[in-house]
Amino acid sequence: NAGVMQNPRHLVRRRGQEARLRCSPMKGHSHVYWYRQLPEEGLKFMVYLQKENIIDESGMPKERFSAEFPKEGPSILRIQQVVRGDSAAYFCASSPTPLTGGNGYTFGSGTRLTVV
Amino acid sequence: AQTVTQSQPEMSVQEAETVTLSCTYDTSESDYYLFWYKQPPSRQMILVIRQEAYKQQNATENRFSVNFQKAAKSFSLKISDSQLGDAAMYFCALALNRDDKIIFGKGTRLHILP
Repeated sequence: NAGVMQNPRHLVRRRGQEARLRCSPMKGHSHVYWYRQLPEEGLKFMVYLQKENIIDESGMPKERFSAEFPKEGPSILRIQQVVRGDSAAYFCASSPTPLTGGNGYTFGSGTRLTVV
Repeated sequence: AQTVTQSQPEMSVQEAETVTLSCTYDTSESDYYLFWYKQPPSRQMILVIRQEAYKQQNATENRFSVNFQKAAKSFSLKISDSQLGDAAMYFCALALNRDDKIIFGKGTRLHILP
């Protein structure tokens, strides 16, 4: 059973370009969470999605960032018109149920976005 | 709002020795979980140990154990018989039972000295 798969592992974008980060949850997991890790910081929650629904986007910047989890295919975190401050590691996690049991997520290996 | 504080940005320990990483947290809720995650240079986030707040008994996983002091809102991680492979960033984290977010501390970088 493959773990949470994120790609690409590294992504370099010039300022003003778009970045698309992909996350395939573990088999059987229908809940996906995106977190961002700025340099020398802990992970910070961005958004929680179920299939075709955004459940909680309270951690998402109001502009330029969007996320989706379609019925088929991976979850996508999209950053439009990237700026240098978007440089970070972006992690995806998945779970089979909402985090009510406190089991802790299964995280992917992250995508490191570098904006030049 | 919930917060997690790790006051030790970096620590070093001699191989085979014991080291304790500190963590304090703040929440007004009574039903929550606490975690320690390990992040090696590969960047993978690895769940090391978890503790249910309603359990008084401290969690243990092989060489890893916690000291959970609920009244003091303290949750420290003890690593016994440190090994070179333990070198990593360690994050303390909190999750409310009613919520879907995990709140992370800023991490402690642990160096293992051969």
